[in-house]
Amino acid sequence: GQQLNQSPQSMFIQEGEDVSMNCTSSSIFNTWLWYKQDPGEGPVLLIALYKAGELTSNGRLTAQFGITRKDSFLNISASIPSDVGIYFCATRTSGSRLTFGEGTQLTVNP
Amino acid sequence: DVKVTQSSRYLVKRTGEKVFLECVQDMDHENMFWYRQDPGLGLRLIYFSYDVKMKEKGDIPEGYSVSREKKERFSLILESASTNQTSMYLCASGRGSTYEQYFGPGTRLTVT
Repeated sequence: GQQLNQSPQSMFIQEGEDVSMNCTSSSIFNTWLWYKQDPGEGPVLLIALYKAGELTSNGRLTAQFGITRKDSFLNISASIPSDVGIYFCATRTSGSRLTFGEGTQLTVNP
Repeated sequence: DVKVTQSSRYLVKRTGEKVFLECVQDMDHENMFWYRQDPGLGLRLIYFSYDVKMKEKGDIPEGYSVSREKKERFSLILESASTNQTSMYLCASGRGSTYEQYFGPGTRLTVT
């Protein structure tokens, strides 16, 4: 099946630092979604992108739909301890189905 | 806000038992999904449904069945639970017109 390569797998940062992560594929997609999962909880939708080149913000989070339509990026500015969690990218692969990346585990040290 | 609820947060069952996991959404979404999440394997789709009484197999349907008798409710059934079905089970719902999925809090199932 189609695979999304999400990187980095994990990040350890200091509070206040900015964070960047990305998701790439060899296939072209029309949708990119970014989710965050807190420990022991279900993923929460952060940002949805539907157009190549689109840049969308949600508070300190900014996500971009790559111009090639094969990748997407998520940035978090001025990280805080509650940003800790796993961040997943996802894209629509067929019908209403989503395929998810493996996730980026973010740790923020106070 | 979209609300997806799952019947249990934690569940412990014995091998061979029949297990029902219930999911309810309150946003009149057409689509509903069941995933399992395991360390190192990510989120894997078990079954999904795009309408009442309709169901489609996902990537790992073996050992599971589903039921959707009402639009708001989607049930996952383990006919005879096995230890390799110990996992985190996540339900999600979404509109047919967009691809956004909204997740419940998850059920951590342990089969002993």
